[in-house]
Amino acid sequence: EVQLVESGGGLVQPGGSLRLSCAASGFTVSDHWMSWVRQAPGKGLEWVGNIKTDGSEDYYVDSVKGRFTISRDNAKNSLYLHMNSLRVEDTAVYYCSRGGVRDLDYWGQGSLVTVSS
Amino acid sequence: DVVVTQSPLSLPVTLGQPASISCRSSQSLVHSDGNTYFNWFQQRPGQSPRRLIHKVSNRDSGVPDRFSGSGSGTDFTLKISRVEAEDVGVYYCMQGTHWPGTFGQGTKVEIK
Repeated sequence: EVQLVESGGGLVQPGGSLRLSCAASGFTVSDHWMSWVRQAPGKGLEWVGNIKTDGSEDYYVDSVKGRFTISRDNAKNSLYLHMNSLRVEDTAVYYCSRGGVRDLDYWGQGSLVTVSS
Repeated sequence: DVVVTQSPLSLPVTLGQPASISCRSSQSLVHSDGNTYFNWFQQRPGQSPRRLIHKVSNRDSGVPDRFSGSGSGTDFTLKISRVEAEDVGVYYCMQGTHWPGTFGQGTKVEIK
């Protein structure tokens, strides 16, 4: 059974940093592009970015470019989202998802990030 | 960015009756490889999203056959042939043909 479990969310001050992790099971992460998608409280879904199978390419939505970085550790079957210079508007539930932007076939339960002073 | 416009944003339905949600994109979603990367997702209350339909009309594993997707180019539709109580939630369409991928605003389906 495919499972994705996010962790690492919490409360952080504006300008701070946070790293989210996504542990995968039931499939081999190295066979798939992987993505992060976020959802602000009471709002819709926004694709954040994705990373190629071997980590050699990554892409981001403009609003996070230069501040967020996606990485992966295929040996640990895990995905990460490194978030720097956090803003209040980055407050959201962050989901990791299997696949690139064309796929998103499995999703984790999400990890809440709250940016507030 | 490609804008995907969903309608309606709220859809009260009677149990056992059909329901339909539409999405229109600001440009054609036919990729140069011939595929149309257009998906539908369901988000039940308090849950994470679940993909229902991929590439316009392909139902994902475990998705009841009362769900169907259709459309082409810029206009797409999700139909539920007979709404059941477990179908309550928010439905999102999403295009993955053009970078960055973009979602519709979501349609909230509720029982009358």
